[in-house]
Amino acid sequence: GAVVSQHPSWVICKSGTSVKIECRSLDFQATTMFWYRQFPKQSLMLMATSNEGSKATYEQGVEKDKFLINHASLTLSTLTVTSAHPEDSSFYICSARDPFTSGQYFGPGTRLTVL
Amino acid sequence: QQQVKQSPQSLIVQKGGISIINCAYENTAFDYFPWYQQFPGKGPALLIAIRPDVSEKKEGRFTISFNKSAKQFSLHIMDSQPGDSATYFCAACPSGYALNFGKGTSLLVTP
Repeated sequence: GAVVSQHPSWVICKSGTSVKIECRSLDFQATTMFWYRQFPKQSLMLMATSNEGSKATYEQGVEKDKFLINHASLTLSTLTVTSAHPEDSSFYICSARDPFTSGQYFGPGTRLTVL
Repeated sequence: QQQVKQSPQSLIVQKGGISIINCAYENTAFDYFPWYQQFPGKGPALLIAIRPDVSEKKEGRFTISFNKSAKQFSLHIMDSQPGDSATYFCAACPSGYALNFGKGTSLLVTP
């Protein structure tokens, strides 16, 4: 099956620092990747849609200058949380769409804790 | 606005029983309906998905039933096992677009 990886799996940082999370599709090329945020015992909230070679589309209420998304290749998208604050602590999950099957496959997630 | 409504919120089933989770949607543009299984601290794993041109799809112990006219779809887990205890999410979207998730169902299968 399709495999999506994320790195790092967890990160702890001080308030005010920036954190970059990588999302890779390992065995297929993904023209579209999605970034989600999930709070404990809640569903996934779409943050943005990332299209290779173009600007990301952000959902209402998501600050594009705070959550920078770069989809530089067909297998890699990155999410940078800039000037992180404790309220940004969450579980961030990416997904990649396989254009041949239309299936959306999720990475294992990144647990971000901002002190 | 919740585009996909999922029920029940939690479910307890005895080992060997059938677990049934239901979802409903309104947007007729949706044409891809996957189910995901998520364990604590892990990303969701795609279990099974269906498109509206079929009414049922089975993969192993997992079956999706789809009712296009009622705009409802459900997941049936046959012969439920303790290892199936997880949170299950239904989702729906138009092809190529982001998924709209249900709120999730926490399933506990007791020995």
